[in-house]
Amino acid sequence: QQQVKQSPQSLIVQKGGISIINCAYENTAFDYFPWYQQFPGKGPALLIAIRPDVSEKKEGRFTISFNKSAKQFSLHIMDSQPGDSATYFCAASRAGGYNKLIFGAGTRLAVHP
Amino acid sequence: KAGVTQTPRYLIKTRGQQVTLSCSPISGHRSVSWYQQTPGQGLQFLFEYFSETQRNKGNFPGRFSGRQFSNSRSEMNVSTLELGDSALYLCASRESAGGTTGELFFGEGSRLTVL
Repeated sequence: QQQVKQSPQSLIVQKGGISIINCAYENTAFDYFPWYQQFPGKGPALLIAIRPDVSEKKEGRFTISFNKSAKQFSLHIMDSQPGDSATYFCAASRAGGYNKLIFGAGTRLAVHP
Repeated sequence: KAGVTQTPRYLIKTRGQQVTLSCSPISGHRSVSWYQQTPGQGLQFLFEYFSETQRNKGNFPGRFSGRQFSNSRSEMNVSTLELGDSALYLCASRESAGGTTGELFFGEGSRLTVL
C-alpha cells in the first residue's frame, strides 16, 4: 500500500524557473513531513521539513506548502539552478517513529541552463 | 564531524549466499536505521535500532536482520540472497530515537548486486 504518493515522476525546468513537486498522504496519524534531496552516488540529505501545525515553511529558495484537510504537501524551489538537478523525495512519519520514514517514489528534477 | 560511514560501498554476491553490511553512525548518535533503495520499490524502511534494541521493523522477510553494538555501530545481514535483494542499502543515524527534533542523516550506502 503506497501511503505517500508523489508527482511528477520527472520534471524539467529552465534556470530561474519554479520547480513544484507534489505529495499526498493517506495516514492521518502522520505528523512529520520532510523533503530529501539525493544526488547520484550519494545518500538522501534533508532539505526542509514541516509539521501539520503550520501551512507553510520557507528556507532560502525552498518552501513547503502544507494542506492538512486535503492531506497534501508540496515543495517549491524558487529560482531553480542547474545545481538543484537531483532526485527529490517527500516522506512522512508518525509521532514517536521519526526514524521510520515512508517515502514517496521520488521526482527526478533537471534544471536546464 | 565525520558523517555516517557504510562499508563496503560495493559488493557482488551470488544467489544463496549471505551478506553483512556495516554502519558507523555519526559520533554521538545512538539511533540507527536501515533502508533499502531500488528503482522499482523506492526507499523502504528495514529496521531501526536504539541502545542495542530493535525499535521498529519494516515489512521485510526474516532473511533480513540487524543488530546494534554498544558503541552504536550497526550491522545488517541478509541470508539466502535472492536476485531481488540487489539494491542500495542505506544506513541513517539520529541523535535519539524519540522526541521531535534531530535530523536523520544518511550514509552513501552499500550497493549490493546479486548474480
